[in-house]
Amino acid sequence: GAVVSQHPSRVICKSGTSVKIECRSLDFQATTMFWYRQFPKQSLMLMATSNEGSKATYEQGVEKDKFLINHASLTLSTLTVTSAHPEDSSFYICSAREMTVYEQYFGPGTRLTVT
Amino acid sequence: SQKIEQNSEALNIQEGKTATLTCNYTNYSPAYLQWYRQDPGRGPVFLLLIRENEKEKRKERLKVTFDTTLKQSLFHITASQPADSATYLCARRASGGSYIPTFGRGTSLIVHP
Repeated sequence: GAVVSQHPSRVICKSGTSVKIECRSLDFQATTMFWYRQFPKQSLMLMATSNEGSKATYEQGVEKDKFLINHASLTLSTLTVTSAHPEDSSFYICSAREMTVYEQYFGPGTRLTVT
Repeated sequence: SQKIEQNSEALNIQEGKTATLTCNYTNYSPAYLQWYRQDPGRGPVFLLLIRENEKEKRKERLKVTFDTTLKQSLFHITASQPADSATYLCARRASGGSYIPTFGRGTSLIVHP
């Protein structure tokens, strides 16, 4: 089946630093990747959608200068949280979609803690 | 806005019983409703999709219904097992180009041995 990986699975960083999270589709080409954020006992909130080779489309209320998304290849997308603050602490999940398939395949998530 | 509502209270049942989880949506019916399983600290795993014109879908011990009159989907797990304990997310999805699902908060299921 389609597998999506994320790295790192957990990261702790100091306030003001930047953190990069990688999302990879391991056995398929992901024309579209999605980044979600999930707070405890809350639903997944879509942050942005990215298509390979083009700029990401951000959801309303998501700062694109703070959450930098790069989808440079058909198997890799990165999310960089710049100048992280404690309120950015959350569970970040990516998902990926093949061109001809409607289903999204989710990664295992990255727990970000900003101290 | 299109919303998905799931019972935030955990559902506790005994092993062997049927678990039934509810998902209600607002406004117009979505073209698809999807159900996912999410374990703590993990990403969601897709379970089942049911289309607007389908009343019921089954997969092994799982059954999903779609009632456009009640604006509701029910998710059943028969002969439940402790390993079924997880959070189950319902998501609505439009047809056409808008294939991005909107998720509910999920309902936690706890199956006691």
